[in-house]
Amino acid sequence: QLQLQESGPGLVKPSETLSLTCTVSGGSISSSSYYWGWIRQPPGKGLEWIGSIYYSGSTYYNPSLKSRVTISVDTSKNQFSLKLSSVTAADTAVYYCARHPMVVAWFDPWGQGTLVTVSS
Amino acid sequence: QSVLTQPPSASGTPGQRVTISCSGSSSNIGSNYVYWYQQLPGTAPKLLIYRNNQRPSGVPDRFSGSKSGTSASLAISGLRSEDEADYYCAAWDDSLSALFGGGTKLTVL
Repeated sequence: QLQLQESGPGLVKPSETLSLTCTVSGGSISSSSYYWGWIRQPPGKGLEWIGSIYYSGSTYYNPSLKSRVTISVDTSKNQFSLKLSSVTAADTAVYYCARHPMVVAWFDPWGQGTLVTVSS
Repeated sequence: QSVLTQPPSASGTPGQRVTISCSGSSSNIGSNYVYWYQQLPGTAPKLLIYRNNQRPSGVPDRFSGSKSGTSASLAISGLRSEDEADYYCAAWDDSLSALFGGGTKLTVL
């Protein structure tokens, strides 16, 4: 059974870089046809797709966040990571990782999510 | 403001049928499959409907999805108290982005 688990600091200072890692277990991140994505949800608000990566390193990013986002993959560790630079309070959210087929909004499974608060 | 438009709230009494709409455009719902997610309080979203109208194993047949043109709908029949949750539609956009609706909070009265 495929499982995803987010990890990283729960508190980040404004203007700094948010860094999270998603560890995949029960399957290989190098599976063909699947992308690995990041989605976030500010407190009390809706879901926002951040971006996705293929095991080869090919990426898609949300245009509204593209200038600040970098997603990378480490196949040897079965992990993929998110970096979001120059964060502000508006980046405070629960961050989820999830798997999805190429160019399809079929996100399944999801990680449990991790809350990241941006505050000094 | 989400590109996929959902009503912010919906409600019904136990046993009733409720529907939640999701409106998009020709570049997303109009040309790609629609997916629905259920998010219970304090938990991660869970896939509820895939490819417009297909249910993953374990999802009761009380949940159904449909799509017509640039709009989609989620219907829940025989409403139960445990259906109280937030529901999100999602679709891929031809601009190479994944889009979510703003979410609909379902209240079981």
